[in-house]
Amino acid sequence: GIQVEQSPPDLILQEGANSTLRCNFSDSVNNLQWFHQNPWGQLINLFYIPSGTKQNGRLSATTVATERYSLLYISSSQTTDSGVYFCAVVGGTSYGKLTFGQGTILTVHP
Amino acid sequence: DARVTQTPRHKVTEMGQEVTMRCQPILGHNTVFWYRQTMMQGLELLAYFRNRAPLDDSGMPKDRFSAEMPDATLATLKIQPSEPRDSAVYFCASGPRETQYFGPGTRLLVL
Repeated sequence: GIQVEQSPPDLILQEGANSTLRCNFSDSVNNLQWFHQNPWGQLINLFYIPSGTKQNGRLSATTVATERYSLLYISSSQTTDSGVYFCAVVGGTSYGKLTFGQGTILTVHP
Repeated sequence: DARVTQTPRHKVTEMGQEVTMRCQPILGHNTVFWYRQTMMQGLELLAYFRNRAPLDDSGMPKDRFSAEMPDATLATLKIQPSEPRDSAVYFCASGPRETQYFGPGTRLLVL
């Protein structure tokens, strides 16, 4: 099956800093999503982005499908951004079946 | 504000007991997913349904787990008999084809 690798595994920031999270995948995808799991365990859908660039407030994401990677940018980080960020993909022949990466644990200190 | 709901939110049970988890997907969503999250394995897909029909349950231990959708507003995941290794957070998600929206999860502890 498709492999999803996220980097870095852990990231510690001071409030106000910017960061880039990366997701590499091993095969073509027809679906790629970024999720944030907050400290209470809730998984929140951030972006559906199989290709191209999207922005939502301080967050933006870019997927370069031909090179099999996606980036999540967090600008002016806040303590509420802390948690785990997951990239999840659906391989070309796997209808709806998301495969998750292991996540990036982000800690933002005040 | 439409949300996926799951019950119970927490469950503590003894080994050998039956556990039933319930999920109400967002109205209008035709795809429903069950995931399990553990520290060791991360997030794993157990089963998913489209238009109430099971499409894939290859991630589920067949001898003890079963998943059903008796109607469009209810999905169930059962474990019988439960074992300590089943302790995890179980998430239900629903969506149209492109995106998935997760419920709050059921935190299961099997003693």
